[in-house]
Amino acid sequence: ETGVTQTPRHLVMGMTNKKSLKCEQHLGHNAMYWYKQSAKKPLELMFVYSLEERVENNSVPSRFSPECPNSSHLFLHLHTLQPEDSALYLCASSQDHAGGPGRELFFGEGSRLTVL
Amino acid sequence: GDSVTQMEGPVTLSEEAFLTINCTYTATGYPSLFWYVQYPGEGLQLLLKATKADDKGSNKGFEATYRKETTSFHLEKGSVQVSDSAVYFCALGTGNQFYFGTGTSLTVIP
Repeated sequence: ETGVTQTPRHLVMGMTNKKSLKCEQHLGHNAMYWYKQSAKKPLELMFVYSLEERVENNSVPSRFSPECPNSSHLFLHLHTLQPEDSALYLCASSQDHAGGPGRELFFGEGSRLTVL
Repeated sequence: GDSVTQMEGPVTLSEEAFLTINCTYTATGYPSLFWYVQYPGEGLQLLLKATKADDKGSNKGFEATYRKETTSFHLEKGSVQVSDSAVYFCALGTGNQFYFGTGTSLTVIP
């Protein structure tokens, strides 16, 4: 398997549920990212991990909790979400967090989250 | 701060028409520029990139030239196909940051 894989592809949850999104990259990259994609809005960067350490947290509500156990895996733990959190959550990876020219992001296919 | 502005859609074209999607940027340093494409139900895929002024990125018949004098990176294709229907994102990478445009939806009709 190659690239960046995300599971589940679709998730429906109630506001009181606890669930997790999983991301795995098979590219040997050192940096991993969570983005939120909502309709008619720019991609929102949520979290960045470099060599398993969180390097950015862009004022994301605490009901989103990331975990990076190793450089190949990234999780997003979800609890007591709100309906406005419904969106496509994209995982991405890059060779390094602060790289040279041409450093690019490789995205997974996303997890479509619906909060009822 | 650094940012990217791309034309709003949606854009609807007939098959074999010429495509231009405008993208301009603001950056304090020397960014790399990217076009990503998102097909329905999928994540973003890199379409092409350019790392310095006057570079031309190209892939699958799409082209974009890094114009420093006009701070632009417009996406072009000479003859679009139905399979090109997707959302296109212009992006800027500088240092440890990426900035994405809001996306332009393209629909190509037979």
